[in-house]
Amino acid sequence: AQKVTQAQTEISVVEKEDVTLDCVYETRDTTYYLFWYKQPPSGELVFLIRRNSFDEQNEISGRYSWNFQKSTSSFNFTITASQVVDSAVYFCALRCSNTGNQFYFGTGTSLTVIP
Amino acid sequence: GAVVSQHPSRVICKSGTSVKIECRSLDFQATTMFWYRQFPKQSLMLMATSNEGSKATYEQGVEKDKFLINHASLTLSTLTVTSAHPEDSSFYICSASGGARDEQFFGPGTRLTVL
Repeated sequence: AQKVTQAQTEISVVEKEDVTLDCVYETRDTTYYLFWYKQPPSGELVFLIRRNSFDEQNEISGRYSWNFQKSTSSFNFTITASQVVDSAVYFCALRCSNTGNQFYFGTGTSLTVIP
Repeated sequence: GAVVSQHPSRVICKSGTSVKIECRSLDFQATTMFWYRQFPKQSLMLMATSNEGSKATYEQGVEKDKFLINHASLTLSTLTVTSAHPEDSSFYICSASGGARDEQFFGPGTRLTVL
């Protein structure tokens, strides 16, 4: 069965602090994709990153970085020098080719950045 | 990336009425479309998967007679909430996949409020 766990329900940080959002996934598929989405209050999902199961390279994009570790089935997301505009709900998601390409979403982490 | 639109973005209706939500892929042919539902402060849950020209596949617990899905063309899928009730109030998000890279893109969502 496919499952994504985001243990942190809510996080509050003060502006300019770094924050890491955790994501742990479960799948028996060998080919899968992992995603992070940002959902601001408007509700629209904003795509942040996609990573396939064969690419364990960490990635950095501006203040965002992602750490993919297959050994621990984790795909954590770090925001460096957080800003108020980073306040949103962040979803980690798993998509497996063998299950019809549907997304399995975690329960989300609500991040509040305090000015 | 590709664009997926949803219409309407927000709808308020009286209990007992039916509401139709459209999901369109604007610049690619979507062979598969997915419909998700998100209750306040919860994650996105897959309701159904539809392939163009065939009947939708519903997830367990989703009433197919209440949530009618039509995927008549490669660019349009509709979700009709029949005889809506207040408990159907939710945020409905579609996603579409297709194209050479089999990417999947999310629509901006439709917020349904049933009075």
